[in-house]
Amino acid sequence: QKEVEQDPGPLSVPEGAIVSLNCTYSNSAFQYFMWYRQYSRKGPELLMYTYSSGNKEDGRFTAQVDKSSKYISLFIRDSQPSDSATYLCAIPKSNAGGTSYGKLTFGQGTILTVHP
Amino acid sequence: AAGVIQSPRHLIKEKRETATLKCYPIPRHDTVYWYQQGPGQDPQFLISFYEKMQSDKGSIPDRFSAQQFSDYHSELNMSSLELGDSALYFCASSLGTSAGGTDTQYFGPGTRLTVL
Repeated sequence: QKEVEQDPGPLSVPEGAIVSLNCTYSNSAFQYFMWYRQYSRKGPELLMYTYSSGNKEDGRFTAQVDKSSKYISLFIRDSQPSDSATYLCAIPKSNAGGTSYGKLTFGQGTILTVHP
Repeated sequence: AAGVIQSPRHLIKEKRETATLKCYPIPRHDTVYWYQQGPGQDPQFLISFYEKMQSDKGSIPDRFSAQQFSDYHSELNMSSLELGDSALYFCASSLGTSAGGTDTQYFGPGTRLTVL
């Protein structure tokens, strides 16, 4: 079993829709969870990270962690065509005790297309 | 703001040839990570360096080697290239571990290696 599993999609939605992207993870000790966005032929860029359980909001993006289910989600409100990209959840190797660092293990990525 | 620089951006090699990929981290970043991303796959960690010392090793073939130099740039050397080495190779840099907090990795644009 991979450390992090992600719904591969692809996902195609109309502009303005709410998008839900999800991952599950295996290690209950994990506390830090990242979401990266990767445009075609570009390197991944960090969108958000969350620590422990709960929600974190940044503009149209909300990251959510449910540690009881080992489930992480990224919601995009009022989706735009410019949001079309691959979204990757990622978990750093060192992931406890208030510090997050080390190699990232990525989910498979979900390809999102937002059409006008 | 300065970003991670990778060179070359594209590289075409024949089987059994060698290749050298270069990575220039963001100024003041002391940690470099290398990832390999095959077509339609998530990035896979290869190797990392912190303060010029290897800090972690992933699924890097014995045919590959890497190092970080005194100016913190890093080079990935690949020998006896195989068709399966064709992929995008990303370098990421970060400020390294600290007493608490999140060590954010910033990715470069990648080098696309094609082995014929």
